[in-house]
Amino acid sequence: EIVMTQSPLSLSVTPGEPASISCRSSQSLLHGNGNNYLDWYLQKPGQSPQPLIYLASNRSSGVPDRFSGSGSGTDFTLKISRVEAEDVGIYYCMQSLQKPLSFGGGTKVE
Amino acid sequence: EGQLVESGGGLVQPGRSLTLSCTASGLTLQNYAMHWVRQAPGKGLEWVSGVFWSGGVIAYAAAVKGRFTVSRDSAQKALYLQMNNLRPEDTATYYCVRASTHSDYALHYWGQGAQVTVSA
Repeated sequence: EIVMTQSPLSLSVTPGEPASISCRSSQSLLHGNGNNYLDWYLQKPGQSPQPLIYLASNRSSGVPDRFSGSGSGTDFTLKISRVEAEDVGIYYCMQSLQKPLSFGGGTKVE
Repeated sequence: EGQLVESGGGLVQPGRSLTLSCTASGLTLQNYAMHWVRQAPGKGLEWVSGVFWSGGVIAYAAAVKGRFTVSRDSAQKALYLQMNNLRPEDTATYYCVRASTHSDYALHYWGQGAQVTVSA
């Protein structure tokens, strides 16, 4: 099973300031088709998770452009260019290259 | 906007069985892969299992393999999770998730979750 490791565990941010979350995988997530099978999800307080980024750098529909994903292989980053109050919650990365799918432990943004 | 609705959760004794169901309202399940993801109280997300639109099983998490069975009805209007020999560590909120249009493994639409508590 591919192990996903996120850092930091928690992040205190100021509205309007940028934020960055790191995700590292125990094996490369780069497929032969050129895609990195790494997604990002956000779970807001009291809500179900929602998709943010798929295939490392593609925003899901309806996701504001202040969110961006980057990285390849084993190292990935989620960036929020200017944090807004509604962005608080727990962010998870997830790999889908190999089954079983696996999530990182989460990064709490407050 | 469409939604997924899980049902069948509840309190069950260790060793017993429970079946979760998931149906959609205002959202089609046809031709989409479906997944179950769980979250233990105060913990992170754990992928449990998934099934292709064809009904073929994607895989099971090691923690549930041999005890849980995922399936979908032939009309592709419902998803199920048969959970046997339940253990206290299976206590969690179980989310039904529909995949996206671009990938069977991108978890796009999430239900509100069904609570399963395994306790004597």
